[in-house]
Amino acid sequence: EAQVTQNPRYLITVTGKKLTVTCSQNMNHEYMSWYRQDPGLGLRQIYYSMNVEVTDKGDVPEGYKVSRKEKRNFPLILESPSPNQTSLYFCASSLSGEKSRGTNYGYTFGSGTRLTVV
Amino acid sequence: AQKITQTQPGMFVQEKEAVTLDCTYDTSDQSYGLFWYKQPSSGEMIFLIYQGSYDEQNATEGRYSLNFQKARKSANLVISASQLGDSAMYFCAMREDSPLSGTYKYIFGTGTRLKVLA
Repeated sequence: EAQVTQNPRYLITVTGKKLTVTCSQNMNHEYMSWYRQDPGLGLRQIYYSMNVEVTDKGDVPEGYKVSRKEKRNFPLILESPSPNQTSLYFCASSLSGEKSRGTNYGYTFGSGTRLTVV
Repeated sequence: AQKITQTQPGMFVQEKEAVTLDCTYDTSDQSYGLFWYKQPSSGEMIFLIYQGSYDEQNATEGRYSLNFQKARKSANLVISASQLGDSAMYFCAMREDSPLSGTYKYIFGTGTRLKVLA
C-alpha cells in the first residue's frame, strides 16, 4: 500500500530533551515536507526537500532540523524542544514539481504526530 | 506573497442540504493547482478534489464540486447533500507550479470547521 509512515503518533516530552519524529514513504517521491498544524493558523511548512541531500527552510523552521540522506526517509529533529513547539505535525510527500505540474497528483500525508512539550 | 484565505472559521449545515466553503487565493504564477483536503476528528488529511489553473471546467468528485472563478481568484468547495460524516475541518491549498523559479510549494489556508446537523 502506498503510504507515508510517521512515528510516533503521540509524544509527550520535557523541555530540552532532543527528539526525532520519523517519516518514511514507499512511493519513490522526490518531494517531502514537514508541516505543523496549530488552531487558527492552518498548516505551516517547516522544512521541505526536493530530493536526496536537498533541503530548504519553509515558513517556520526555527527550532527544527531535517535531513534527507535517503529518498524514502525525512526525519524531523527537535534538538531542544520548547513548549511553543507543542503542535500536530504532518509529514507529506509528492512527486517532483516537474512530474506533478498540471496534474492532480498532490500530497500524500502521514497520519500525524501529536507532540506535547512540557 | 502567495496566499490562501479561508474566511469562514466555522460553518453549520443541515443534513441533506448543500454547503459552500469559501477559498480565495493570491498568486502571480500562471500555472498552479488548487486542492481541498478534509481532516476528520481522527486527524488524518484526506484529499477531496483538485482544480488546475488551466482547467476550463469546474472539477467534480461525487458530492464535491469546486466552483473555480479564475478572474476572482476563488476556488470554493461545494458539498451537496451533506451527511453527518462530512463534519470535519476542511483545508484549501494551492500548489505553485513555477518553472521559472524552480520552486514548488504548497500553501494552505487556515481551514473551515464544518458541522453537519441532524
